[in-house]
Amino acid sequence: KNQVEQSPQSLIILEGKNCTLQCNYTVSPFSNLRWYKQDTGRGPVSLTIMTFSENTKSNGRYTATLDADTKQSSLHITASQLSDSASYICVVSGGRGSTLGRLYFGRGTQLTVWP
Amino acid sequence: DVKVTQSSRYLVKRTGEKVFLECVQDMDHENMFWYRQDPGLGLRLIYFSYDVKMKEKGDIPEGYSVSREKKERFSLILESASTNQTSMYLCASSYYGAPYEQYFGPGTRLTVT
Repeated sequence: KNQVEQSPQSLIILEGKNCTLQCNYTVSPFSNLRWYKQDTGRGPVSLTIMTFSENTKSNGRYTATLDADTKQSSLHITASQLSDSASYICVVSGGRGSTLGRLYFGRGTQLTVWP
Repeated sequence: DVKVTQSSRYLVKRTGEKVFLECVQDMDHENMFWYRQDPGLGLRLIYFSYDVKMKEKGDIPEGYSVSREKKERFSLILESASTNQTSMYLCASSYYGAPYEQYFGPGTRLTVT
């Protein structure tokens, strides 16, 4: 069964600190993996996309890693800011026999940054 | 920039009403999707469409229907709204050549009382 699991479910950190969010997936065959940021009451916005051959990709203070062998990804946020408070969703595309554009969503990690 | 717009940010309807949620994208995308998002469950695919007048069921199509009469517009219809359809509804679109690169609208928070 194609699944995406994220941990932790929620996380509270102080402003300026770093944090790492985890994503494990069983989607096969694998196409790519995205991390989305979703602010409260808004639609998800893509942060990074990683294909099978990529290990690391950065977008400002966000760095995503991918280990396709163990089917794990992480999102590292450095020097957190209050505006980083949001839900972070791991999304994997692929799956055998899937029709166009099928995505598999994790349940998200709710990050809260305190001043 | 890709823009996906949804007709309402917040909507309150009564049980049994017919509800229309509209989604419009301005990037000439072939693919369009409707999801619902509930706390602790993540996004779940309701229906999607890869061409005008074409539609395919997602994981949770029961109680919903869709309409795609024009390429830029994809409507989600709740024939007889029920309280368990209270949720956040998100529309997304993608280009045929990059089906996984979906762009999301801002969402419609629907409450059925």
